[in-house]
Amino acid sequence: QKEVEQDPGPLSVPEGAIVSLNCTYSNSAFQYFMWYRQYSRKGPELLMYTYSSGNKEDGRFTAQVDKSSKYISLFIRDSQPSDSATYLCAMRSSSNTGKLIFGQGTTLQVKP
Amino acid sequence: DAGVTQSPTHLIKTRGQQVTLRCSPKSGHDTVSWYQQALGQGPQFIFQYYEEEERQRGNFPDRFSGHQFPNYSSELNVNALLLGDSALYLCASRSRAGVYNEQFFGPGTRLTVL
Repeated sequence: QKEVEQDPGPLSVPEGAIVSLNCTYSNSAFQYFMWYRQYSRKGPELLMYTYSSGNKEDGRFTAQVDKSSKYISLFIRDSQPSDSATYLCAMRSSSNTGKLIFGQGTTLQVKP
Repeated sequence: DAGVTQSPTHLIKTRGQQVTLRCSPKSGHDTVSWYQQALGQGPQFIFQYYEEEERQRGNFPDRFSGHQFPNYSSELNVNALLLGDSALYLCASRSRAGVYNEQFFGPGTRLTVL
């Protein structure tokens, strides 16, 4: 069993839709949770990060962490065609400052 | 301000050969991590360098080795290449003095092993 599970999709939505992306994990030591966006042939770009449980909002993006369920989510409101990319969740424990554990990534397509 | 840069962009090698990939961290960053991303998969941690030493290592064989130079740039070396080494190799940098979460990734080097 992988430490981090993420549905690879692809996920196709119309422009303006609310998108929900999710990951589950098994390691209870994970304390830091991140979402990266990766466009084709590019490196991952950090979108959001959250420490422990709770919500964090940044513009059209909201990250949620539920440590009791070992479940994290990224919501995208008013999705745009420019949001079409692969979204990677990543996480680490407090002691592993450099070692991020990534999910497989979910491919999102937002249709105009 | 230049971000993380990597060279070369693409590389084609044959089985058994050796390869060296290079990374320059973002200005102000002193720590470099390397990741391997197979097609359709998330990145996998190879190792992390700071103060010119390997500090953490993922589940990769000794064929994968690295180096960090005094200017914080880094190299990833892979010996005795296998077909399964074909992947996008990503370098990420951060500042140990900054927020640990903020690892900035480079565009990657795409390695094809024939």
